[in-house]
Amino acid sequence: GAVVSQHPSWVICKSGTSVKIECRSLDFQATTMFWYRQFPKQSLMLMATSNEGSKATYEQGVEKDKFLINHASLTLSTLTVTSAHPEDSSFYICSARRMENAGYTFGSGTRLTVV
Amino acid sequence: AQKITQTQPGMFVQEKEAVTLDCTYDTSDQSYGLFWYKQPSSGEMIFLIYQGSYDEQNATEGRYSLNFQKARKSANLVISASQLGDSAMYFCAMSHKLSFGAGTTVTVRA
Repeated sequence: GAVVSQHPSWVICKSGTSVKIECRSLDFQATTMFWYRQFPKQSLMLMATSNEGSKATYEQGVEKDKFLINHASLTLSTLTVTSAHPEDSSFYICSARRMENAGYTFGSGTRLTVV
Repeated sequence: AQKITQTQPGMFVQEKEAVTLDCTYDTSDQSYGLFWYKQPSSGEMIFLIYQGSYDEQNATEGRYSLNFQKARKSANLVISASQLGDSAMYFCAMSHKLSFGAGTTVTVRA
């Protein structure tokens, strides 16, 4: 079945530094990838949708310059949290879709802690 | 715009009993898909069941079934014969951007 690998699974970084999270589809080409953020005991909030080779579409209220998304190939999308602050601490999870009517496959998530 | 509503923050169910998780939605799309996911404490998202808006029959997957009432815009999940391992958070979601409801925490009691 479709597998999405997400790394790292957890990361601790200092305030002001940047962190890159990778989401890789291992056995299929993901035309679309989605990035979510989840606070404890809450729902997944969609941050942005990225299509290979084009700019990501960000949801309202998500800072484009802070959360940089790159979908350079059909198997890799990255989320970079720039100049991270403690309030950026959260669970980030990606999802990939092969085509319009295909199912969504999730990565295992990344727990980011900014100290 | 899409909206998914799950009104049950938490539910308790006795082992071996069935439980119904409510989900209502709103969309202007004619064609859409509805999903249910399970999220245990590990954080992984586990796909449970899918219902297409044009599917005439309710979807079933093992112990999971989806009670789809299109006119009422509801897509409730039924888990039959609950097991202790079913304790988790459950999310209803809708394509095409895969928007999620607030989730329902299910706790199965022995």
